[in-house]
Amino acid sequence: QSVLTQPPSVSAAPGQKVTISCSGSSSNIGNIYVSWYQQLPGTAPKLLIYENNKRPSGIPDRFSGSKSGTSATLGITGLQTGDEADYYCGTWDTSLSAWLFGGGTKLTVL
Amino acid sequence: QVQLQESGPGLVKPSETLSLTCTVSGGSISSYYWNWIRQPPGKGLEWIGYIYYSGSTNYNPSLKSRVTISVDTSKNQFSLRLSSVTAADTAFYYCARGIYGNRGPYYYYYMDVWGKGTTVTVSS
Repeated sequence: QSVLTQPPSVSAAPGQKVTISCSGSSSNIGNIYVSWYQQLPGTAPKLLIYENNKRPSGIPDRFSGSKSGTSATLGITGLQTGDEADYYCGTWDTSLSAWLFGGGTKLTVL
Repeated sequence: QVQLQESGPGLVKPSETLSLTCTVSGGSISSYYWNWIRQPPGKGLEWIGYIYYSGSTNYNPSLKSRVTISVDTSKNQFSLRLSSVTAADTAFYYCARGIYGNRGPYYYYYMDVWGKGTTVTVSS
């Protein structure tokens, strides 16, 4: 079981909005910035959000990130079938002195 | 644009050592952290460790006793060695560039460029 907890799966219809949560603790999310990664089927992960809410060049503003306390949230609006992927949160843990990934959330666009 | 490419044997025998290399092209290996991450079939991502271009390392505590990551700045490459492998080490292995810094009291670390990955099977 991952130290960073994500729901195994979420689903929504095209055009709708979905949120994916990532729950941690004071030794990770509570004091370190969070990043999010998108892994499309059969491909390598790609950076989606960094420093809680910043988007790398080329990532559409349909994707957003936020953090409150020891939890972070990825939001995706205007869902498209091409958004079907696994999404992972990640951050450093100061107690473990190690990088952590969440368990991953599979997004299905119905 | 920086690109990463993993290379190495796709098949390793149990109890032997897995060796992979990541070649960095389109940019310098200097001033960044260089990571190895793996993903067993059908499972999530697991961070293996990183090396700073100067040579300092940090490993996942669960793998620390078996992992060595090294860097060759002259070749713009960094490498992974994982000893005493078992079937549980069968996975897709990725290399990725890490960026570290701080804003005020908070630190950030994220992986902004990833290789396409390479599959490693542990089997006799």
